[in-house]
Amino acid sequence: EPEVTQTPSHQVTQMGQEVILRCVPISNHLYFYWYRQILGQKVEFLVSFYNNEISEKSEIFDDQFSVERPDGSNFTLKIRSTKLEDSAMYFCASSPRQAGNQPQHFGDGTRLSIL
Amino acid sequence: KQEVTQIPAALSVPEGENLVLNCSFTDSAIYNLQWFRQDPGKGLTSLLLIQSSQREQTSGRLNASLDKSSGRSTLYIAASQPGDSATYLCAVIPGNTGKLIFGQGTTLQVKP
Repeated sequence: EPEVTQTPSHQVTQMGQEVILRCVPISNHLYFYWYRQILGQKVEFLVSFYNNEISEKSEIFDDQFSVERPDGSNFTLKIRSTKLEDSAMYFCASSPRQAGNQPQHFGDGTRLSIL
Repeated sequence: KQEVTQIPAALSVPEGENLVLNCSFTDSAIYNLQWFRQDPGKGLTSLLLIQSSQREQTSGRLNASLDKSSGRSTLYIAASQPGDSATYLCAVIPGNTGKLIFGQGTTLQVKP
């Protein structure tokens, strides 16, 4: 069964550095998402992306964050000038059509540790 | 603001028992609702998606119900097995952008 793949599985970065988290969504999917889960807390929505533009973003997704689909397969989340509170598990998800009517498929996540 | 709550936070049952996990949400104007399973260190696996016009969905030993008017959903697991041990997450979909709003999850342990 097709899967959403995320790399790296674990990223350790110094505070203030930039980090790029990478995702390869399922190939025929059109809607893409990033979520994060701080240890012990709920999974939180960050951003949704469709047709090469952001369709919705949360208040967490401020100017420090950006997303890009640089080619036909990758979907990236960039965090500029990382902070300690950015430490979390980041999940990428995708769905084939209008996402409200189709299940979202999640990757195994990237654990981001900011030192 | 939509809030999703899951009760109980943790549950331990003997193998073979039938069980119910509860999810409640504060705003009944949802688009759909989705149940997930999360294993330690892993991503989320979709179990069932219930559209707002439906009252329930079934997959194998799992049955999810939805009562929009009361802001509740339940996940029923029949004949529980040790392999069902995981955290179960409920998420509502408030609109057609697909954004998911999650509850905090119920951690289930099924003892052999």
